[in-house]
Amino acid sequence: AQSVTQPDIHITVSEGASLELRCNYSYGATPYLFWYVQSPGQGLQLLLKYFSGDTLVQGIKGFEAEFKRSQSSFNLRKPSVHWSDAAEYFCAVGRSGAGSYQLTFGKGTKLSVIP
Amino acid sequence: GAGVSQSPRYKVAKRGQDVALRCDPISGHVSLFWYQQALGQGPEFLTYFQNEAQLDKSGLPSDRFFAERPEGSVSTLKIQRTQQEDSAVYLCASSLSTSGANEQFFGPGTRLTVL
Repeated sequence: AQSVTQPDIHITVSEGASLELRCNYSYGATPYLFWYVQSPGQGLQLLLKYFSGDTLVQGIKGFEAEFKRSQSSFNLRKPSVHWSDAAEYFCAVGRSGAGSYQLTFGKGTKLSVIP
Repeated sequence: GAGVSQSPRYKVAKRGQDVALRCDPISGHVSLFWYQQALGQGPEFLTYFQNEAQLDKSGLPSDRFFAERPEGSVSTLKIQRTQQEDSAVYLCASSLSTSGANEQFFGPGTRLTVL
């Protein structure tokens, strides 16, 4: 069964500082990997996704993530955090084979930004 | 264009009552998913539709949970004899096709509180 671990429950960074949110996954084949952001009272918004090819993927709002197969990781990064980035971030893994395509999410990392 | 919409946004039910939660997916989207998000947790998969066919209901926690999508568009998640442990945000997502590589677009969710 697939699973996702986000080891950091809550991270606080200063505005303008760099950010890295960790994600480790467990899946038997090449996974589809996603990062979503959820602001209070809002639905989940896709930041970026990885399916194949270049292991460094670029997303919206200046975010990027790197797929490292050897470490089963897909960490999210941003070079300079803005106050509006404060939200909860979820890493998810999806099935790459035939069948139901549900996502398995981690428990999320809440990001707080200090002005 | 319009995104995924859900209604009601908030629902308070007394223990033992039946509730029905509605999801309007993006027009033309073949795949539809329901997820349950408990407080402080990531979303967890409940069920998956491909058009009107319910192909996976492995995530439904009990036989009190029932979902349908009779015409392949609008979907309803019904919970019978609600219990306090059913309190959560119920998220609906739709996807253009049946590939796991496609982005799932999420609605804002319905927050269910069972008293």
